Amino acid sequence: QQQVKQSPQSLIVQKGGISIINCAYENTAFDYFPWYQQFPGKGPALLIAIRPDVSEKKEGRFTISFNKSAKQFSLHIMDSQPGDSATYFCAASIEFGSSNTGKLIFGQGTTLQVKP
Amino acid sequence: DTAVSQTPKYLVTQMGNDKSIKCEQNLGHDTMYWYKQDSKKFLKIMFSYNNKELIINETVPNRFSPKSPDKAHLNLHINSLELGDSAVYFCASSPYLRGSYEQYFGPGTRLTVT
Repeated sequence: QQQVKQSPQSLIVQKGGISIINCAYENTAFDYFPWYQQFPGKGPALLIAIRPDVSEKKEGRFTISFNKSAKQFSLHIMDSQPGDSATYFCAASIEFGSSNTGKLIFGQGTTLQVKP
Repeated sequence: DTAVSQTPKYLVTQMGNDKSIKCEQNLGHDTMYWYKQDSKKFLKIMFSYNNKELIINETVPNRFSPKSPDKAHLNLHINSLELGDSAVYFCASSPYLRGSYEQYFGPGTRLTVT
């Protein structure tokens, strides 16, 4: 119930293409879903996040799509660039309520390579 | 200017040794975390502290002991190191415990146990 499943494990996309990474969760108490981006040798950094009261959030070339009934959410990177090559992690946590400990449950990660 | 810093960046040691990793944040945050990232890049929380109080203590061997001398520092001491402890350890901080806030990660400490 605490797991977040992420796919694919790795992804190769041509420059200018669309990168899509999918995540699924079981715990319906999760109400905050961030995506983190990690470059080699660096710590993860927050990219974009969504709460389940909206079905989509867009920031520049990055969009999260959220399907509450299916308990799935995905990251879309439009016009993918070589500089987007990194590992992407979806995550989930409980924002409100006594169960909130700030604990982030991460997906397994997706290594994205954008070819020039 | 570094927001979350960790020392050392690399740590190579032999099985059975005891080692410590230090973490400091200058963001004024209340909450700090330790994560372990294994060779498959899987990130898992180990501990969290809020204002020096232990909040999260995941199923971690008791050879791992966190210590928070003040809310800007969270250190990790590991006794009797084992091969399986080899990983990258990340410290992170966030403004508050309740609610959902960005977690700011440090650069990581790559621990190699031989």
